[in-house]
Amino acid sequence: AQSVTQLDSQVPVFEEAPVELRCNYSSSVSVYLFWYVQYPNQGLQLLLKYLSGSTLVESINGFEAEFNKSQTSFHLRKPSVHISDTAEYFCASSPMNSGGYQKVTFGTGTKLQVIP
Amino acid sequence: EAGVAQSPRYKIIEKRQSVAFWCNPISGHATLYWYQQILGQGPKLLIQFQNNGVVDDSQLPKDRFSAERLKGVDSTLKIQPAKLEDSAVYLCASSLVFPIYEQYFGPGTRLTVT
Repeated sequence: AQSVTQLDSQVPVFEEAPVELRCNYSSSVSVYLFWYVQYPNQGLQLLLKYLSGSTLVESINGFEAEFNKSQTSFHLRKPSVHISDTAEYFCASSPMNSGGYQKVTFGTGTKLQVIP
Repeated sequence: EAGVAQSPRYKIIEKRQSVAFWCNPISGHATLYWYQQILGQGPKLLIQFQNNGVVDDSQLPKDRFSAERLKGVDSTLKIQPAKLEDSAVYLCASSLVFPIYEQYFGPGTRLTVT
């Protein structure tokens, strides 16, 4: 069974400050890892993904996440946030080699509130 | 490229009534997913189709929920009869078979059961 834990339900941060959103996963098999973002009144959008290879993955808008197998973590970071980053962020996992289809388990989400 | 379309966007019904949601995936996406997102929780997969066949419905409450995907394109999700605890946002997503890991989500339907 898989599970994804996001301990912080809300994270307030001042504009241009750094932020880290924490994510820990639990799985008996190897997993793919994802971060999705949900802006107000919009659907979820894939922000970045870890499939294999380099443990540091980046998005086009300055976010990065690092896969740490020993700590079973996939924390999301940004060195300087903008007002436009205000949204809810969901961490998710999916087992590799799942027989040709994907079964994604989502965390409970972290609301990032950027304060001007 | 048009995104995943869902309707209605909002629905309010009384308990024991029935309701249906519609989803039109991105053209060419063989895989379609329905998720339930209860306030304060992450999305939970209800059912997954590949073309018009069901590949996973292990978390679908089959006594009251049903879903179909005719002709491997549009899909409908039905609840009959609704309970108070069904109040949630119902999300539809679609993806290519390969790569299967990138899902595209619709805006969701917010259901309130009174």
